[in-house]
Amino acid sequence: DTGVSQDPRHKITKRGQNVTFRCDPISEHNRLYWYRQTLGQGPEFLTYFQNEAQLEKSRLLSDRFSAERPKGSFSTLEIQRTEQGDSAMYLCASRRERGTDTQYFGPGTRLTVL
Amino acid sequence: DAKTTQPPSMDCAEGRAANLPCNHSTISGNEYVYWYRQIHSQGPQYIIHGLKNNETNEMASLIITEDRKSSTLILPHATLRDTAVYYCIVRVPSISNFGNEKLTFGTGTRLTIIP
Repeated sequence: DTGVSQDPRHKITKRGQNVTFRCDPISEHNRLYWYRQTLGQGPEFLTYFQNEAQLEKSRLLSDRFSAERPKGSFSTLEIQRTEQGDSAMYLCASRRERGTDTQYFGPGTRLTVL
Repeated sequence: DAKTTQPPSMDCAEGRAANLPCNHSTISGNEYVYWYRQIHSQGPQYIIHGLKNNETNEMASLIITEDRKSSTLILPHATLRDTAVYYCIVRVPSISNFGNEKLTFGTGTRLTIIP
């Protein structure tokens, strides 16, 4: 396995701008998860996909946030009209469908909103 | 998911066993104990999980008390690379009936390995 990859690793943006992050899961992992982590806190669940279907969304995922996984492979997380409170590490994880529920995390995208 | 309580920080000498405690007094019968760790600037990494029997793998050992209200993660010979935040999570496995897909992290224990 090559591991979960995320792009970009760092993003600095001005308040009000839109940003998009990409996650490439481990090959053949059909479950994909997004988490957000603020300084000094543990990661918080945002949403997850089974293949291209988004099956659960946290109330943390406001209407400015949208996640997609159009072909059941990579996923994107878009934040519209960013606010300073959106500054955080955005983590992606994936897992196999069967046999284990271990989630494998990527290195994250660190967002700073000025 | 049951709530967990962990000490905010611990130190351990390099080469010694690191014992990280976790209290989960409200754990229910079908909930497992999971441990993840997060090294600085990296994503969390799975370590081990168990239901009631002690578990061991190449990374660590997990000791769960008989009443399942607490557990201890043991790193048998800590190295500097084990310096990280360790998270104890209690949940019904997502592959079980009525399982929970999400991981609910607390604030964890910051373990520092001292040379």
